[in-house]
Amino acid sequence: GQQLNQSPQSMFIQEGEDVSMNCTSSSIFNTWLWYKQEPGEGPVLLIALYKAGELTSNGRLTAQFGITRKDSFLNISASIPSDVGIYFCAGARQGGSEKLVFGKGTKLTVNP
Amino acid sequence: SAVISQKPSRDICQRGTSLTIQCQVDSQVTMMFWYRQQPGQSLTLIATANQGSEATYESGFVIDKFPISRPNLTFSTLTVSNMSPEDSSIYLCSVRERSYEQYFGPGTRLTVT
Repeated sequence: GQQLNQSPQSMFIQEGEDVSMNCTSSSIFNTWLWYKQEPGEGPVLLIALYKAGELTSNGRLTAQFGITRKDSFLNISASIPSDVGIYFCAGARQGGSEKLVFGKGTKLTVNP
Repeated sequence: SAVISQKPSRDICQRGTSLTIQCQVDSQVTMMFWYRQQPGQSLTLIATANQGSEATYESGFVIDKFPISRPNLTFSTLTVSNMSPEDSSIYLCSVRERSYEQYFGPGTRLTVT
């Protein structure tokens, strides 16, 4: 099935640095979701986006729904060690079913 | 959001056997989903568990291999049948709440030897 193109695949940063990751697709999506998965856990929903151009924050996390409806970005400011994990984007396609399409994930490592 | 639990949390099984994974939700939900996450990979949808009717399977997944039950609006089971080492994965259930938001259980970590 279709997958979203998520980049980068992995990131190694120092504590305090800002992080940016993104997802792109050739198809239009009407919902973008960002999840975080820590080792041994299920994915946890961080941010949901519903409108093109929408910018939503959750603490130090900020996500945007691209104007073209084909991409989304997640930024983490002033990273801390507990930000470590795998971040997945997911989208629901316009006119599609109830199913979500997932990106391959961005693995984030934060060095104290 | 709904609180989702899964049993077992992990298991080691021998090839050729079957394992049934349970998913319990603390509220009634219309849509439940089962995913597989192979080591180091993203999530792949196995099927949508429909209450009162047969599950809807994705391409590459069949009912004989992954039978699903959904007896009510708070519970579902996924069976992994006639297991082989290739079935070693994390199996996750999720529920859909408002709009397209899905919330996941903690997962069942399966190792087949």
